[in-house]
Amino acid sequence: NAGVTQTPKFRVLKTGQSMTLLCAQDMNHEYMYWYRQDPGMGLRLIHYSVGEGTTAKGEVPDGYNVSRLKKQNFLLGLESAAPSQTSVYFCASSQRGGANSPLHFGNGTRLTVT
Amino acid sequence: AQRVTQPEKLLSVFKGAPVELKCNYSYSGSPELFWYVQYSRQRLQLLLRHISRESIKGFTADLNKGETSFHLKKPFAQEEDSAMYYCALDGGSQGNLIFGKGTKLSVKP
Repeated sequence: NAGVTQTPKFRVLKTGQSMTLLCAQDMNHEYMYWYRQDPGMGLRLIHYSVGEGTTAKGEVPDGYNVSRLKKQNFLLGLESAAPSQTSVYFCASSQRGGANSPLHFGNGTRLTVT
Repeated sequence: AQRVTQPEKLLSVFKGAPVELKCNYSYSGSPELFWYVQYSRQRLQLLLRHISRESIKGFTADLNKGETSFHLKKPFAQEEDSAMYYCALDGGSQGNLIFGKGTKLSVKP
């Protein structure tokens, strides 16, 4: 039981390049989330999904797109990377919202945009 | 506005000393609060949640609605407690959490 798996672990992009971060969970969770973690800023929600085929914007959605075509996968896309998107990206999942359903996090993807 | 404030970026204590990591929140409804922890080279994980009123690894946290606080406490810090601690609030919007900026706890021998 792997939990939440993120690929890749590291990536370096040049400004303007595109890429997709993959998040996969094997816990049959309904909810999935993408956060970014920046020094002094904590974790900020980019996009989230409450079920297969659904997506919604979080606190900092600009410059990112997401898709949830399959329940177990949640993809985060950067169409045209910018240096401001240099960050550590965390995917998380939960069975449902609320206090009785804690978030399970992946190990993170460290992205550098030069 | 919904907000979580952790006023200390870094907290350094000696082993055996008491620890209190501060968390204040702003929320109009009935809050659901959590503490998450990230140990070095490990993934972020849930430490405890206020509804459980539990003690995990010697840590406790009490919700004080009057002071809008959810401080994390441990009477005797251990070196293995060194980690990044995040306080989080359930924003009520389909399960997403609002995180504070985090406090790095360093426990010195």
